[in-house]
Amino acid sequence: GAGVSQSPRYKVAKRGQDVALRCDPISGHVSLFWYQQALGQGPEFLTYFQNEAQLDKSGLPSDRFFAERPEGSVSTLKIQRTQQEDSAVYLCASSLSRGLQPQHFGDGTRLSIL
Amino acid sequence: GQQLNQSPQSMFIQEGEDVSMNCTSSSIFNTWLWYKQDPGEGPVLLIALYKAGELTSNGRLTAQFGITRKDSFLNISASIPSDVGIYFCAGREIDNYGQNFVFGPGTRLSVLP
Repeated sequence: GAGVSQSPRYKVAKRGQDVALRCDPISGHVSLFWYQQALGQGPEFLTYFQNEAQLDKSGLPSDRFFAERPEGSVSTLKIQRTQQEDSAVYLCASSLSRGLQPQHFGDGTRLSIL
Repeated sequence: GQQLNQSPQSMFIQEGEDVSMNCTSSSIFNTWLWYKQDPGEGPVLLIALYKAGELTSNGRLTAQFGITRKDSFLNISASIPSDVGIYFCAGREIDNYGQNFVFGPGTRLSVLP
């Protein structure tokens, strides 16, 4: 497709389970961002990739959060031992070049932890 | 971390009216961005601003990078029903050329027919 694709669109997990969220950026886009958006709030930065390199992970809230982009295209955000406060929409965005702001967002994965 | 404030939090206007909203920060920014988000979708980039005083338009939308570099404004002229949504400002602090763009809490716009 032409846009950023995220899967699954919805994920329900029990507290303590591990989850993996996938992002397919626009083909050829160098920059990839992950954001977390709690209900009724603005997105909060989690991490940034330039190609396969994770250049900024300052927003990851704990060591339970891990992101990778091994071939510089698809990215996965993994959350281990999920907790209720991890419930949020996880947004992925990509940009054509390095140094640019998030240009194109996906529609997100809504994660609910029971 | 850096906090952005958006004003107003929400607004109800009549179709055809002009809309103004703003965003302020406690520190100086080198980039200001405005996004619109519809329910169940990701934010859509409307306007990007890179220089103090810069005024940029995108159709009926006009945004300005404040002279103090601590604020930005978004105006929508002649509002229509599809303008309904949440408008987020975002930005990056000066001397920060990393990719940590901070978002505000949003302004929720409702348009009455």
